[in-house]
Amino acid sequence: EAQVTQNPRYLITVTGKKLTVTCSQNMNHEYMSWYRQDPGLGLRQIYYSMNVEVTDKGDVPEGYKVSRKEKRNFPLILESPSPNQTSLYFCASGPRMLNTEAFFGQGTRLTVV
Amino acid sequence: AQTVTQSQPEMSVQEAETVTLSCTYDTSENNYYLFWYKQPPSRQMILVIRQEAYKQQNATENRFSVNFQKAAKSFSLKISDSQLGDTAMYFCAFLSASGTYKYIFGTGTRLKVLA
Repeated sequence: EAQVTQNPRYLITVTGKKLTVTCSQNMNHEYMSWYRQDPGLGLRQIYYSMNVEVTDKGDVPEGYKVSRKEKRNFPLILESPSPNQTSLYFCASGPRMLNTEAFFGQGTRLTVV
Repeated sequence: AQTVTQSQPEMSVQEAETVTLSCTYDTSENNYYLFWYKQPPSRQMILVIRQEAYKQQNATENRFSVNFQKAAKSFSLKISDSQLGDTAMYFCAFLSASGTYKYIFGTGTRLKVLA
């Protein structure tokens, strides 16, 4: 089954404790991206990657890191989480063809206390 | 910079009735794609319908159709014969055809279908 898998789905952590949210896709997609969803703000892009070893900042990259060492994986790293990073996070992937929609993971609810 | 505006934070509709969700966007580009995504309580983002800007014909997917007005930069979603399972948050999204592959999302409309 074609899918984007995020883990974990729920995470509660403390301020300053490094964490990684994993994202993996099995569709051989070139494009992958991370978004955060906040009430009243919709989804905002954090980082995106057009291919292996190619990443770029989105609209809200501060406090986040990503890497794309393999085509299928695109982890999101929070080196020192803060409470303002409490949010719902989505990973998405898509083929290089723009007329095809992005496929989303099931979301990760992160709470930083 | 592109922007997407959804001016209706919440809407409700009676089961079997028709409802229209509005979306406007701002761009200086001529080629782009527009999408409506549905987010039910499960949080999963599900594509409802897509529209290519170069196509004049409005997209239709079963009970879902759009009214795409390129000159007015408007992209509304019509849901006919509303069902309880349509209860969800709906997001309008813009994607430039320039190759940057950056989706711009609206703030969402929460739709509740009433029995």
